[in-house]
Formats: sequence, C-alpha cells, structure tokens
Amino acid sequence: AQSVTQPDIHITVSEGASLELRCNYSYGATPYLFWYVQSPGQGLQLLLKYFSGDTLVQGIKGFEAEFKRSQSSFNLRKPSVHWSDAAEYFCAVGAREYGNKLVFGAGTILRVKS
Amino acid sequence: NAGVMQNPRHLVRRRGQEARLRCSPMKGHSHVYWYRQLPEEGLKFMVYLQKENIIDESGMPKERFSAEFPKEGPSILRIQQVVRGDSAAYFCASSPTGIQDQPQHFGDGTRLSIL
Repeated sequence: AQSVTQPDIHITVSEGASLELRCNYSYGATPYLFWYVQSPGQGLQLLLKYFSGDTLVQGIKGFEAEFKRSQSSFNLRKPSVHWSDAAEYFCAVGAREYGNKLVFGAGTILRVKS
Repeated sequence: NAGVMQNPRHLVRRRGQEARLRCSPMKGHSHVYWYRQLPEEGLKFMVYLQKENIIDESGMPKERFSAEFPKEGPSILRIQQVVRGDSAAYFCASSPTGIQDQPQHFGDGTRLSIL
C-alpha cells in the first residue's frame, strides 16, 4: 500500500535559521512528489513538485526539495526562515499507476520564533 | 483570478440532516477531486470526477456519501444522515487534465461541524 510519512509533527525554528522538513514515502511505482503549505483556515498552496529530471527542485517562497530515490525521501528545505513561513506543510505522492489520487502525509506544523 | 471556489466555507448540521458541499473548479479545469481532512490528520482522497463521470470513488464511504459533477454547474459532495464522525474539513481540487504531471489546485475547503 502507498504511504507517506512525515516523522516530525511539530518543528520550531528561529527566524533566519535554516529549515528541513522530512518526507519519506513507500510506493510501488515511480512517484510524483509534491509539497503543499496550509495556513490556518485556508486551503493548500503548492510549493513545488517533482516529476522527473533534476532531483533538486526549486519552488516558490525560496523553498527547495531534493528527491533521493535510494532513501525514498523528498525533504523540503529553506536556507533562511521568515516568520510568515509559520504554517502546516504537507508532503504528497502520486503515481500514474495509481490513478489521480494523491496520498498525503500527516503534516508538519512549523512554528517560527522571533 | 478565479481559483477553486468552495462553498459554504463553514457548514453546521444536526445529526441526521443532509450536507451539500459545492465546488467550482478553476477555469479550464474539467477534473475535480474531493479530499477529507480529519482533525490533526493529512488529507485523504475520496473521489475523482470528470464532467458527468465518476472516475475513481475508491475513497468514498460506501453509505451516505455521493458525489456528482454535472455538465453544467459545480461539483457537489452530498452527505446524507450526517453523524458526528463526519465533522471534518472537505477540500476540493481541480486540474486541467487527468495527467498526473499537472498538479492539483486546492480550494479553501468547507469546514463541516455536526451538532
């Protein structure tokens, strides 16, 4: 069965510090990988996506993510966090073989200390 | 800039009533997906529809839940005889085609509360 694991439920970082949010997946097919961000009471905004090619992908708001097939991981990074980055972050995985459904991780809540 | 529009944003129902959630996809998008988010959990896929067709309903509960996407008008997620466990945020997403490499764009959700 397909699954996505985000091991960290909460993460707190200081403003200006670097950030890495972890995502591991278990999929029996070549995955498509996404990171979404959700602010309280809002919908999900796409940060970045990986389909093929360069395993380091750049997204909006200064975020990037690296696909590591050997580790089944797609970790999200940002070199310098801003207070406005406080939100909940979701990793999601899809695959052509499993139709159009996305499988989401449980999310990581990011808190930013000033 | 019309994104995915969901209404109502908040819906309160008493046990046993019906809940109707609406979703208008982005302009040019003909593929609609519904997801449910329970408190402190990620989103769970429910159903995938194209105009007038249900493509994949593998995530839909077998009873009380139905979805449609008519030729004209928004997609509707209907929950009959609601129970407390139906309280959740329901999100709709849309994409222009059913090809996986086109990401899904999400609405702001409908928060359903059951009294």
